Amino acid sequence: DIQMTQFPSSLSASVGDRVTLTCRASQTITSYLNWYQQRPGKAPKLLIYAASSLQSGVPSRFSGSGSGTDFTLTISNLQPEDFATYSCQQTYSTPWTFGQGTKVEIK
Amino acid sequence: EVQLVQSGAEVKKPGESLNISCKGSGYSFTNYWIGWVRQMPGKGLEWMGIIYPRDSNTRYSPSFQGQVTISADKSISTAYLQWSSLKVSDTAMFYCATTTVDTDAFDFWGHGTMVTVSS
Repeated sequence: DIQMTQFPSSLSASVGDRVTLTCRASQTITSYLNWYQQRPGKAPKLLIYAASSLQSGVPSRFSGSGSGTDFTLTISNLQPEDFATYSCQQTYSTPWTFGQGTKVEIK
Repeated sequence: EVQLVQSGAEVKKPGESLNISCKGSGYSFTNYWIGWVRQMPGKGLEWMGIIYPRDSNTRYSPSFQGQVTISADKSISTAYLQWSSLKVSDTAMFYCATTTVDTDAFDFWGHGTMVTVSS
């Protein structure tokens, strides 16, 4: 299985901040990397697919980059509704594993 | 509008069997992979497996192979996750999700089914 590691596991930030979350794969996954947002008590929501493609309806303050093994999700101008847990997932090969998540908390 | 509607919360005893469901609508259910994701209390997302309803081609995570059964009835656009003998450690939220994009990202999700296993 491909292992996905996210860091940090949590971070504190303020409204208006720019934050960068990192996801690393244990082997190359080319660009088969997705990012999800999960608010407490809610189902996950797809933000970014194919490493850098913004899912329809997702605000442009979210952006993704990377290829191979190292990927980032950047949230610019953090908004109150962005405080949530973010998980990466590889769909390069089954099982389509998730990272353990990064929780973005209010400072 | 694409919708995945999951069956309601379940409370079961260890050793009991269980079948939870996920009904798709608003898209061509037969032609897109649909999968199941586990989330244990306070933990991250775990990919369990996927099924292609058109031909029932199924792939499991090694972690869940033999522990659950994934199936689908394309005639009623419904996917299922089944246990033959539940354990306390099966207590979790289970989400179904489908992928309609080429890169297999789960772009539509069900609301989740909470399964509680307790003696």
